[in-house]
Amino acid sequence: EAQVTQNPRYLITVTGKKLTVTCSQNMNHEYMSWYRQDPGLGLRQIYYSMNVEVTDKGDVPEGYKVSRKEKRNFPLILESPSPNQTSLYFCASSLSKLTSGGNEQFFGPGTRLTVL
Amino acid sequence: AQKVTQAQTEISVVEKEDVTLDCVYETRDTTYYLFWYKQPPSGELVFLIRRNSFDEQNEISGRYSWNFQKSTSSFNFTITASQVVDSAVYFCALRDPWQAAGNKLTFGGGTRVLVKP
Repeated sequence: EAQVTQNPRYLITVTGKKLTVTCSQNMNHEYMSWYRQDPGLGLRQIYYSMNVEVTDKGDVPEGYKVSRKEKRNFPLILESPSPNQTSLYFCASSLSKLTSGGNEQFFGPGTRLTVL
Repeated sequence: AQKVTQAQTEISVVEKEDVTLDCVYETRDTTYYLFWYKQPPSGELVFLIRRNSFDEQNEISGRYSWNFQKSTSSFNFTITASQVVDSAVYFCALRDPWQAAGNKLTFGGGTRVLVKP
Protein backbone atom coordinates (compact mmCIF):
# COMPACT_ATOMS: atom_id res chain seq x y z
CA GLU A 1 0.00 0.00 0.00
CA ALA A 2 1.33 3.40 -1.02
CA GLN A 3 1.77 5.47 2.09
CA VAL A 4 3.68 7.99 4.12
CA THR A 5 4.39 6.94 7.69
CA GLN A 6 5.38 9.09 10.63
CA ASN A 7 6.60 8.18 14.08
CA PRO A 8 5.76 8.85 16.75
CA ARG A 9 2.13 9.82 16.32
CA TYR A 10 2.00 11.53 19.70
CA LEU A 11 4.82 12.96 21.75
CA ILE A 12 4.98 14.95 24.94
CA THR A 13 8.40 16.26 25.83
CA VAL A 14 10.08 19.00 27.81
CA THR A 15 11.86 22.13 26.71
CA GLY A 16 15.36 21.51 25.45
CA LYS A 17 15.22 17.74 25.05
CA LYS A 18 16.27 16.87 21.51
CA LEU A 19 13.81 14.82 19.50
CA THR A 20 13.41 13.38 16.05
CA VAL A 21 10.20 12.70 14.17
CA THR A 22 10.70 10.15 11.44
CA CYS A 23 9.02 10.16 8.05
CA SER A 24 9.16 7.44 5.45
CA GLN A 25 7.46 6.96 2.08
CA ASN A 26 7.30 3.88 -0.14
CA MET A 27 6.35 5.54 -3.42
CA ASN A 28 9.85 6.42 -4.64
CA HIS A 29 8.95 10.11 -4.53
CA GLU A 30 11.67 12.65 -5.07
CA TYR A 31 9.98 15.49 -3.20
CA MET A 32 9.36 15.44 0.53
CA SER A 33 8.44 18.17 2.94
CA TRP A 34 7.38 18.95 6.48
CA TYR A 35 4.49 21.15 7.50
CA ARG A 36 3.20 22.31 10.83
CA GLN A 37 -0.46 22.98 11.47
CA ASP A 38 -1.60 25.61 13.94
CA PRO A 39 -5.15 26.83 14.60
CA GLY A 40 -6.26 29.50 12.17
CA LEU A 41 -2.99 29.37 10.25
CA GLY A 42 -3.53 26.24 8.22
CA LEU A 43 -0.42 24.28 7.34
CA ARG A 44 2.90 26.00 6.83
CA GLN A 45 5.94 24.47 5.25
CA ILE A 46 8.98 24.01 7.49
CA TYR A 47 11.52 22.36 5.20
CA TYR A 48 11.47 20.56 1.91
CA SER A 49 13.72 18.29 -0.09
CA MET A 50 13.82 18.01 -3.86
CA ASN A 51 15.87 14.83 -3.74
CA VAL A 52 18.54 12.99 -1.78
CA GLU A 53 21.01 15.38 -0.14
CA VAL A 54 19.03 18.40 -1.40
CA THR A 55 17.12 20.25 1.31
CA ASP A 56 15.98 23.83 1.73
CA LYS A 57 14.07 26.04 4.12
CA GLY A 58 10.35 26.55 3.84
CA ASP A 59 8.37 29.35 5.42
CA VAL A 60 8.94 28.56 9.11
CA PRO A 61 12.31 26.77 9.45
CA GLU A 62 13.54 28.31 12.72
CA GLY A 63 14.24 25.71 15.39
CA TYR A 64 14.16 22.74 13.01
CA LYS A 65 16.64 20.65 11.07
CA VAL A 66 16.18 17.96 8.45
CA SER A 67 18.27 15.50 6.53
CA ARG A 68 17.74 13.46 3.39
CA LYS A 69 20.32 10.70 3.24
CA GLU A 70 17.98 8.22 1.60
CA LYS A 71 15.19 8.81 -0.85
CA ARG A 72 12.51 7.26 1.31
CA ASN A 73 13.31 8.96 4.63
CA PHE A 74 13.08 12.58 5.71
CA PRO A 75 13.40 13.01 9.48
CA LEU A 76 12.55 16.24 11.26
CA ILE A 77 14.89 17.15 14.09
CA LEU A 78 14.20 19.54 16.93
CA GLU A 79 17.56 20.14 18.60
CA SER A 80 16.16 22.14 21.51
CA PRO A 81 12.37 22.12 21.46
CA SER A 82 10.47 25.05 22.91
CA PRO A 83 6.79 25.42 23.82
CA ASN A 84 6.09 27.44 20.65
CA GLN A 85 6.87 24.30 18.69
CA THR A 86 3.85 22.58 20.14
CA SER A 87 1.90 21.76 17.02
CA LEU A 88 0.60 19.09 14.68
CA TYR A 89 3.25 18.06 12.17
CA PHE A 90 2.72 16.51 8.78
CA CYS A 91 5.19 14.93 6.43
CA ALA A 92 4.31 14.90 2.74
CA SER A 93 5.76 13.43 -0.42
CA SER A 94 5.14 13.72 -4.15
CA LEU A 95 6.74 13.27 -7.50
CA SER A 96 9.02 16.14 -8.45
CA LYS A 97 7.57 19.12 -10.27
CA LEU A 98 9.57 18.15 -13.30
CA THR A 99 7.40 15.14 -13.92
CA SER A 100 3.99 16.59 -13.27
CA GLY A 101 3.16 20.10 -12.21
CA GLY A 102 -0.10 19.30 -10.49
CA ASN A 103 0.82 16.04 -8.85
CA GLU A 104 -0.88 15.18 -5.64
CA GLN A 105 0.97 15.36 -2.36
CA PHE A 106 0.56 12.40 -0.08
CA PHE A 107 0.44 13.25 3.59
CA GLY A 108 1.42 11.19 6.57
CA PRO A 109 -1.02 10.69 9.46
CA GLY A 110 0.44 13.54 11.51
CA THR A 111 2.46 13.80 14.71
CA ARG A 112 1.00 15.73 17.59
CA LEU A 113 3.85 17.26 19.58
CA THR A 114 3.51 18.95 22.94
CA VAL A 115 6.53 20.72 24.43
CA LEU A 116 6.16 21.55 28.11
CA ALA B 1 3.91 35.56 -2.95
CA GLN B 2 0.97 33.20 -2.80
CA LYS B 3 -1.83 33.59 -0.35
CA VAL B 4 -5.00 31.63 0.34
CA THR B 5 -7.85 33.05 2.39
CA GLN B 6 -10.72 31.10 3.86
CA ALA B 7 -12.78 33.79 5.48
CA GLN B 8 -15.16 31.40 7.24
CA THR B 9 -13.54 29.93 10.31
CA GLU B 10 -16.50 27.81 11.33
CA ILE B 11 -19.84 26.85 9.81
CA SER B 12 -22.55 25.03 11.67
CA VAL B 13 -25.48 23.44 9.84
CA VAL B 14 -28.19 20.93 10.43
CA GLU B 15 -28.02 17.67 8.53
CA LYS B 16 -29.29 17.83 4.93
CA GLU B 17 -28.55 21.51 4.57
CA ASP B 18 -26.12 22.59 1.86
CA VAL B 19 -22.77 24.07 2.88
CA THR B 20 -20.58 26.28 0.71
CA LEU B 21 -16.99 26.94 1.70
CA ASP B 22 -15.29 30.00 0.28
CA CYS B 23 -11.69 30.14 -0.87
CA VAL B 24 -9.96 33.15 -2.37
CA TYR B 25 -6.38 32.96 -3.56
CA GLU B 26 -3.63 35.29 -4.68
CA THR B 27 -0.84 34.49 -7.07
CA ARG B 28 1.04 36.40 -9.72
CA ASP B 29 1.46 33.39 -11.93
CA THR B 30 -0.81 32.24 -14.73
CA THR B 31 -0.13 28.55 -14.16
CA TYR B 32 -1.05 27.16 -10.80
CA TYR B 33 -2.99 24.40 -9.10
CA LEU B 34 -5.72 24.52 -6.50
CA PHE B 35 -6.63 21.81 -4.04
CA TRP B 36 -9.18 21.00 -1.37
CA TYR B 37 -8.34 18.75 1.55
CA LYS B 38 -10.56 17.43 4.31
CA GLN B 39 -9.32 16.84 7.85
CA PRO B 40 -11.77 14.73 9.87
CA PRO B 41 -11.60 14.62 13.67
CA SER B 42 -9.12 11.75 13.44
CA GLY B 43 -6.59 14.26 12.09
CA GLU B 44 -5.40 12.90 8.78
CA LEU B 45 -5.55 14.96 5.61
CA VAL B 46 -7.76 13.59 2.88
CA PHE B 47 -7.28 14.83 -0.67
CA LEU B 48 -10.58 15.85 -2.31
CA ILE B 49 -9.87 17.60 -5.58
CA ARG B 50 -7.22 19.26 -7.72
CA ARG B 51 -7.79 21.91 -10.39
CA ASN B 52 -5.29 23.56 -12.69
CA SER B 53 -5.58 27.19 -13.71
CA PHE B 54 -6.43 26.30 -17.29
CA ASP B 55 -9.44 24.22 -16.39
CA GLU B 56 -12.35 26.34 -15.25
CA GLN B 57 -14.89 23.62 -15.80
CA ASN B 58 -16.79 23.13 -12.62
CA GLU B 59 -17.19 19.64 -11.27
CA ILE B 60 -19.69 17.63 -9.36
CA SER B 61 -18.75 14.45 -7.59
CA GLY B 62 -21.56 12.90 -5.65
CA ARG B 63 -22.58 15.40 -2.98
CA TYR B 64 -19.50 17.54 -3.59
CA SER B 65 -19.20 20.28 -6.18
CA TRP B 66 -16.58 22.89 -6.92
CA ASN B 67 -16.88 26.33 -8.47
CA PHE B 68 -13.63 27.69 -9.89
CA GLN B 69 -13.77 31.29 -11.09
CA LYS B 70 -10.48 32.65 -12.29
CA SER B 71 -11.89 36.14 -12.77
CA THR B 72 -12.52 36.47 -9.05
CA SER B 73 -9.67 34.19 -7.90
CA SER B 74 -12.09 31.95 -6.09
CA PHE B 75 -12.33 28.20 -5.74
CA ASN B 76 -15.42 27.46 -3.69
CA PHE B 77 -16.58 24.08 -2.47
CA THR B 78 -20.16 22.97 -1.80
CA ILE B 79 -21.44 19.98 0.11
CA THR B 80 -25.02 19.20 -0.87
CA ALA B 81 -27.34 17.56 1.62
CA SER B 82 -24.73 17.53 4.36
CA GLN B 83 -24.30 14.54 6.64
CA VAL B 84 -22.80 14.22 10.10
CA VAL B 85 -19.78 12.45 8.57
CA ASP B 86 -18.99 15.66 6.69
CA SER B 87 -18.02 17.30 9.98
CA ALA B 88 -14.37 18.17 9.52
CA VAL B 89 -11.95 20.98 8.84
CA TYR B 90 -11.62 21.78 5.16
CA PHE B 91 -8.51 23.34 3.69
CA CYS B 92 -8.06 25.09 0.40
CA ALA B 93 -4.51 25.12 -0.95
CA LEU B 94 -2.58 26.64 -3.84
CA ARG B 95 0.49 25.38 -5.61
CA ASP B 96 2.62 27.38 -7.96
CA PRO B 97 4.83 24.91 -9.83
CA TRP B 98 7.36 27.59 -10.75
CA GLN B 99 8.22 28.75 -7.27
CA ALA B 100 11.59 27.88 -5.82
CA ALA B 101 10.05 25.68 -3.15
CA GLY B 102 8.89 23.26 -5.78
CA ASN B 103 5.81 21.42 -4.75
CA LYS B 104 5.00 23.59 -1.75
CA LEU B 105 1.33 23.98 -0.96
CA THR B 106 0.14 27.28 0.44
CA PHE B 107 -2.83 26.57 2.68
CA GLY B 108 -5.71 28.68 3.85
CA GLY B 109 -6.50 28.79 7.53
CA GLY B 110 -9.21 26.16 7.21
CA THR B 111 -12.96 26.14 7.76
CA ARG B 112 -14.42 23.94 10.44
CA VAL B 113 -17.74 22.43 9.39
CA LEU B 114 -20.03 21.06 12.05
CA VAL B 115 -23.04 19.13 10.85
CA LYS B 116 -25.60 18.53 13.56
CA PRO B 117 -28.08 15.66 13.36
